[in-house]
Amino acid sequence: EADIYQTPRYLVIGTGKKITLECSQTMGHDKMYWYQQDPGMELHLIHYSYGVNSTEKGDLSSESTVSRIRTEHFPLTLESARPSHTSQYLCASSDRSGTGELFFGEGSRLTVL
Amino acid sequence: KNQVEQSPQSLIILEGKNCTLQCNYTVSPFSNLRWYKQDTGRGPVSLTIMTFSENTKSNGRYTATLDADTKQSSLHITASQLSDSASYICVVSDRGSTLGRLYFGRGTQLTVWP
Repeated sequence: EADIYQTPRYLVIGTGKKITLECSQTMGHDKMYWYQQDPGMELHLIHYSYGVNSTEKGDLSSESTVSRIRTEHFPLTLESARPSHTSQYLCASSDRSGTGELFFGEGSRLTVL
Repeated sequence: KNQVEQSPQSLIILEGKNCTLQCNYTVSPFSNLRWYKQDTGRGPVSLTIMTFSENTKSNGRYTATLDADTKQSSLHITASQLSDSASYICVVSDRGSTLGRLYFGRGTQLTVWP
């Protein structure tokens, strides 16, 4: 069992609202990631972090922002949600060892009306 | 262009039967190949990770093979169970960057019927 947690699991909000998706891991991993996944499609990297105060944008352009103030915490924020942001958001972490196996959270399903 | 292609897109089998899922990739350079299982509405869970020098790796009823020359991998599921119903995702990592970039396939949706 991976010790990485995401909240909320499901969220339905109206357009223009600000939302924060929480992600925490208790494994002491330096690397953390946010992926976006739509049905039947591959995961797309939107943000990643290699440690505290380190954040980078991923391959897929996203209007969301992230922060990494503590090793265990990597929240994702949307300042003004739109229907195009409706998707599944997956948080993951990995350690520095060899293959860098990814451990995923359960995901946050966001629906913007 | 670095890509990961999986086939079939979906598969239905009867409980107790075996099946094989395919993954072809064009990622270069190559570091490792991973298979993940993703239950509906859940996050992916790692099944196997294989490096260049590994031809086969097993995890219970799951056996993955890798042919780095032809850039193909397969995931064989033996004596399928209802709980095997899920999406199986092939992921390839490249080499030569600190990021160790990951390339994801779209997954094979497996349904096991009783």
